[in-house]
Amino acid sequence: QVQLVESGGGLVKPGGSLRLSCAASGFFFSDYYMTWIRQAPGKGLEWLSYISNSGSSMHYADSVKGRFTISRDNAKNSLYLQMDSLTAEDTALYYCVRDITAPGSTYYFDLWGRGTVVTVSS
Amino acid sequence: QSVLTQPPSVSAAPGQKVTISCSGSTSNIGKKYVSWYQQLPGTAPKLLIYDNNKRPSGIPDRFSGSKSGTSATLDITGLQTGDEAHYYCGTWDDSLGAPRVFGGGTKLTVL
Repeated sequence: QVQLVESGGGLVKPGGSLRLSCAASGFFFSDYYMTWIRQAPGKGLEWLSYISNSGSSMHYADSVKGRFTISRDNAKNSLYLQMDSLTAEDTALYYCVRDITAPGSTYYFDLWGRGTVVTVSS
Repeated sequence: QSVLTQPPSVSAAPGQKVTISCSGSTSNIGKKYVSWYQQLPGTAPKLLIYDNNKRPSGIPDRFSGSKSGTSATLDITGLQTGDEAHYYCGTWDDSLGAPRVFGGGTKLTVL
């Protein structure tokens, strides 16, 4: 079954850290770029970061640059998001997403996980 | 404030047609493909349209997309109550710190 399953969310205090994981199955994980997208309560979608299929290239939104780190382990079919220096503004549902990227050509997100909730509060 | 501009809400009766717009600029929609996503209540977004006007397998042809200049449009015909959802447009932007960008989303109400 083709799916993405996130884990690792929870309640964390401001200034704290959290590491999200995403387990991929049913497709050749190492063939695809992967992305993290979040959605604050009652708000729209915010792209956070992508990583190339090999893991050699990453890019971050300004809102998380320097605080979040994306990584992947193709041997384990897993994607990660290390989140440091968390603030209340990082409270959201975090989605792991398969990213169809052909640089200079097409870009879209064709497979989404159900998300994992991160709450930053004292 | 989103890079791409969508109307906050649209509404129409069952069986009717609705159009959702997505306005951008020359650094995003003007030179990049647009995709559309449907988010039903309490669920993750789902890809509806990619490359401006292509439908993934399983998406009915009641959903169609188009692009002209720096704007894109999602049309939904034969509206059904099950189409009530938030719809988001997305693309790539060359000029910003977040290369992937979304519209703010449009809430579709089927009256």
